[in-house]
Amino acid sequence: DAKTTQPNSMESNEEEPVHLPCNHSTISGTDYIHWYRQLPSQGPEYVIHGLTSNVNNRMASLAIAEDRKSSTLILHRATLRDAAVYYCILRDVAGTASKLTFGTGTRLQVTL
Amino acid sequence: TAGITQAPTSQILAAGRSMTLRCTQDMRHNAMYWYRQDLGLGLRLIHYSNTAGTTGKGEVPDGYSVSRANTDDFPLTLASAVPSQTSVYFCASSEGLAGYNEQFFGPGTRLTVL
Repeated sequence: DAKTTQPNSMESNEEEPVHLPCNHSTISGTDYIHWYRQLPSQGPEYVIHGLTSNVNNRMASLAIAEDRKSSTLILHRATLRDAAVYYCILRDVAGTASKLTFGTGTRLQVTL
Repeated sequence: TAGITQAPTSQILAAGRSMTLRCTQDMRHNAMYWYRQDLGLGLRLIHYSNTAGTTGKGEVPDGYSVSRANTDDFPLTLASAVPSQTSVYFCASSEGLAGYNEQFFGPGTRLTVL
């Protein structure tokens, strides 16, 4: 799976939107873009994924650049419960499981 | 629904001893995974299983073994523990290995090897 690059940390005020960027310049045409988050002392949980088109679900939105070399996870109204480490990973459609790596992610701090 | 359960929650183990970390899922998922997460770092894949009866090596397989006798269980064994295996271990599952499959994670096992 291709490599991703994320900022180490970001801060947001509660009730404000948050845009978490991810660069994946070596993405292949068959790579899905996945986002997971890990709350303190918990296992990661799935947030959203997409291939080419922007995606929305109850947790977040995923905006994918037209060339697919970057993507942005959008939390529309951050809450204190959204404070977590957010991981952007790429998954080949064929499932090359041996190369699954989460990286260090972006630590999101949310303040009142 | 329980999802994925792991046992034990935490363990302190003497170096050289063996230990099996247990993982059970009730979602009838075909694929299962074991990751380790060292302090302040991301998750690294140890071993995975595409379906019952098959296993594969991940990024950091040395010192670990797995088996997949049935769909629900995916135990991870440390034959002779070393201090560098001190970590938090997460088990996960997904319907399949395909890139669009969501992974579900267990709560983790915190292992300290002294």
